[in-house]
Amino acid sequence: GDSVTQMEGPVTLSEEAFLTINCTYTATGYPSLFWYVQYPGEGLQLLLKATKADDKGSNKGFEATYRKETTSFHLEKGSVQVSDSAVYFCALSGGFKTIFGAGTRLFVKA
Amino acid sequence: DAGVIQSPRHEVTEMGQEVTLRCKPISGHDYLFWYRQTMMRGLELLIYFNNNVPIDDSGMPEDRFSAKMPNASFSTLKIQPSEPRDSAVYFCASSLFSGSGITYEQYFGPGTRLTVT
Repeated sequence: GDSVTQMEGPVTLSEEAFLTINCTYTATGYPSLFWYVQYPGEGLQLLLKATKADDKGSNKGFEATYRKETTSFHLEKGSVQVSDSAVYFCALSGGFKTIFGAGTRLFVKA
Repeated sequence: DAGVIQSPRHEVTEMGQEVTLRCKPISGHDYLFWYRQTMMRGLELLIYFNNNVPIDDSGMPEDRFSAKMPNASFSTLKIQPSEPRDSAVYFCASSLFSGSGITYEQYFGPGTRLTVT
């Protein structure tokens, strides 16, 4: 069945460092891909999405490119801030359900 | 729009008691999902509804869990009797499926933190 694998955390970075969180997927067909973010005490919220191969999703300085050849959707940000500390979930959806990865916790130090 | 609304935000109960969690989805959305989140198992899909009809409840852990959606604006998740291992954060999410083959995002509520002692 469909699945999502993302790098284990926690990831600890200093403010203004470059961020990469790796995500790979297994799916039949052509799913849409998502990154969700969960801040402490809150529900998940959509960060960005891409619906077809080579699409780049971007939001709040984060970006990810849908790579069909490598079945990947890595999340990147050029300069992280303390306020980016959260749990990040990679996800795919090819139909009514969304398959979520295990989540990667990010800590950003001032 | 107020977003997905869940109540209560926190629930503490004793083992054996009945617990009812409530959810109001975003108006106009046609899919509603119930998830459970724990440190050990991460985010688990319990059940989802389409137009108030349960479609897939294969994630419901046991017969102690039941969910209903009597109308488009309200859903409940009930645990009876509750056990300490049910302690988790329970999320409700809703979405609008366009029907065009492109899936729309899920909108999550703030969650209900359940503690069963």
